Amino acid sequence: EIVLTQSPGTLSLSPGERATLSCRASQSVSSNYLAWYQQKPGQAPSLLIYAASSRATGIPDRFSGSGSGTDFTLTITRLEPEDFAVYYCQQYSTSPRTFGQGTKVEIK
Amino acid sequence: EVQLVESGGGLVKPGRSLRLSCTTSGFSFGDYAMSWFRQAPGKGLEWVGFTRSKPYGGTTEYAASVKGRFTISRDDSKSIAYLQMNSLKTEDTAVYYCTRGPSNMAFDLWGQGTMVTVSS
Repeated sequence: EIVLTQSPGTLSLSPGERATLSCRASQSVSSNYLAWYQQKPGQAPSLLIYAASSRATGIPDRFSGSGSGTDFTLTITRLEPEDFAVYYCQQYSTSPRTFGQGTKVEIK
Repeated sequence: EVQLVESGGGLVKPGRSLRLSCTTSGFSFGDYAMSWFRQAPGKGLEWVGFTRSKPYGGTTEYAASVKGRFTISRDDSKSIAYLQMNSLKTEDTAVYYCTRGPSNMAFDLWGQGTMVTVSS
């Protein structure tokens, strides 16, 4: 099983600031099948990034993903009020399809 | 409009069964794998399992925590995916989400979720 470790657990930032979220895998993620999801309270997760760096349909370009192998990053260049949420990384290359524990981006 | 709608959740006693449905519209259901995830109250996301599309054998995979108790199936003629849950335990209490995928685009569409509470 691939274990994903996200850091930090909580990120306290102000609107307009840059957010950098990390996701580290316990072993290499094949084909860079690493995705990022955003989840707001009481809502289902929604896909932001797939294949480590491809934005999902309709996702603004302030969201970007990078990385390969075991180290991946989600960057939000300028935080908008609607971006404060919990973010999960997930590997979907092998079963079980595992998630990180999440990073909460909160308003400072 | 592309849509996934889960139904069938509710309160059930330990040891009992429940079947969830995921009714879809707006895309060619038979071309896609379909998955189930869950999220216990206040916790993170957990993959439950998925069914491949028929061209890829229609086979299924499950998380170890549900293998042997849960069964995922699909009715391509109705564009519905199912999650049959047997021998339910209190630790199965969660919001259950239906998703499209996996594909190379991960799990790109999610339903709104349905709550399952297992309690005596």
